[in-house]
Amino acid sequence: GAVVSQHPSRVICKSGTSVKIECRSLDFQATTMFWYRQFPKQSLMLMATSNEGSKATYEQGVEKDKFLINHASLTLSTLTVTSAHPEDSSFYICSARPPTALGYGYTFGSGTRLTVV
Amino acid sequence: AQSVTQLDSQVPVFEEAPVELRCNYSSSVSVYLFWYVQYPNQGLQLLLKYLSGSTLVKGINGFEAEFNKSQTSFHLRKPSVHISDTAEYFCAVRMNSGYSTLTFGKGTMLLVSP
Repeated sequence: GAVVSQHPSRVICKSGTSVKIECRSLDFQATTMFWYRQFPKQSLMLMATSNEGSKATYEQGVEKDKFLINHASLTLSTLTVTSAHPEDSSFYICSARPPTALGYGYTFGSGTRLTVV
Repeated sequence: AQSVTQLDSQVPVFEEAPVELRCNYSSSVSVYLFWYVQYPNQGLQLLLKYLSGSTLVKGINGFEAEFNKSQTSFHLRKPSVHISDTAEYFCAVRMNSGYSTLTFGKGTMLLVSP
């Protein structure tokens, strides 16, 4: 139980375009999801906390207008990188908080490698 | 606030040898502790967690970790590693109340060679 699916796994886009990344909880309802960014050989940096039906809470220094987060249902959160630039190239990972009955360890998606050219 | 220190950025080890990956944390409140593993270009997989009770916790793939409150440590160990254990390992903590966010260490790359 507690499986999170993230799509796409890899995406290459042109500078100035927007890219949408999806994060789905497959076998549970996730009222809260988290979005992380990971630079090469570094740890995960929390970008924002996504709550179903309400606005996301962004960490300090993360541009809200650049990284749009939508959590419209209990099983889906999306991250849209708007007007992407090469410096947005990174590995993005989502995580979901499963119900207490499934344990206290948050479940992670498989990540999305974004390359902006 | 919490912080996590993984003392070794890289740990090389030979196959079938034992290994210990070190993790120390700092927190003013009680925490849950986790170890995650990340294979190249993949997300994180939970290895094991400490919530309460026995300080020695066993996880998947033969790994175990021991919570030491006095030393604020949660070191990960495996008695005999395999080539397939080569990966990045992250120690993480979060407050044990509510549904708080995870704080990660910088990771330790375990390199297992034949």
